[in-house]
Amino acid sequence: DADVTQTPRNRITKTGKRIMLECSQTKGHDRMYWYRQDPGLGLRLIYYSFDVKDINKGEISDGYSVSRQAQAKFSLSLESAIPNQTALYFCATSPGQRPGELFFGEGSRLTVL
Amino acid sequence: AQKVTQAQTEISVVEKEDVTLDCVYETRDTTYYLFWYKQPPSGELVFLIRRNSFDEQNEISGRYSWNFQKSTSSFNFTITASQVVDSAVYFCALSPHTGGFKTIFGAGTRLFVKA
Repeated sequence: DADVTQTPRNRITKTGKRIMLECSQTKGHDRMYWYRQDPGLGLRLIYYSFDVKDINKGEISDGYSVSRQAQAKFSLSLESAIPNQTALYFCATSPGQRPGELFFGEGSRLTVL
Repeated sequence: AQKVTQAQTEISVVEKEDVTLDCVYETRDTTYYLFWYKQPPSGELVFLIRRNSFDEQNEISGRYSWNFQKSTSSFNFTITASQVVDSAVYFCALSPHTGGFKTIFGAGTRLFVKA
């Protein structure tokens, strides 16, 4: 089983719908992240959390929200999806003693029509 | 500003050729980490290497080698005797101390290795 698990892996939805992407990890890491990948733009940070009580905006947080339900769970929500949020989304974790070193989930491909 | 630039969008080589992927970074921090990640066609992201800002020693791991030069703010990645399985998108990344070492990625370089 994967150490970092994302659900759903693929989702097609319509403009205006609320979408939640879920991430759970068994690595015991305090730090969790949500990134978005678009062709030619690399990975861009949406939100990150250094522990359960700590939530921070990344470079592209507009239109997104997150919830850190427990050390092992970090969910990303799109309150009202729009087509330019069509992308591949990655959840990642990192250990506090090796900051920046990321362990990724398998990705969630979201298509907003 | 914290930034990572990978100027090469795509590179195509023939198997057994050597290839170097360039990475230039910007940060005012003196403490930071640099990384390379690989994304094969299957889509997962795989960690390759981590280097801290105080260690400029080059590193070799099999056919992979990395050249870190603080003087030019570069962290280049060379694959020797490339193989078809090396075909992937490669991302260079920076984790500066400011902001708690959150990781910033370059746009990636897509490498095609032809048989």
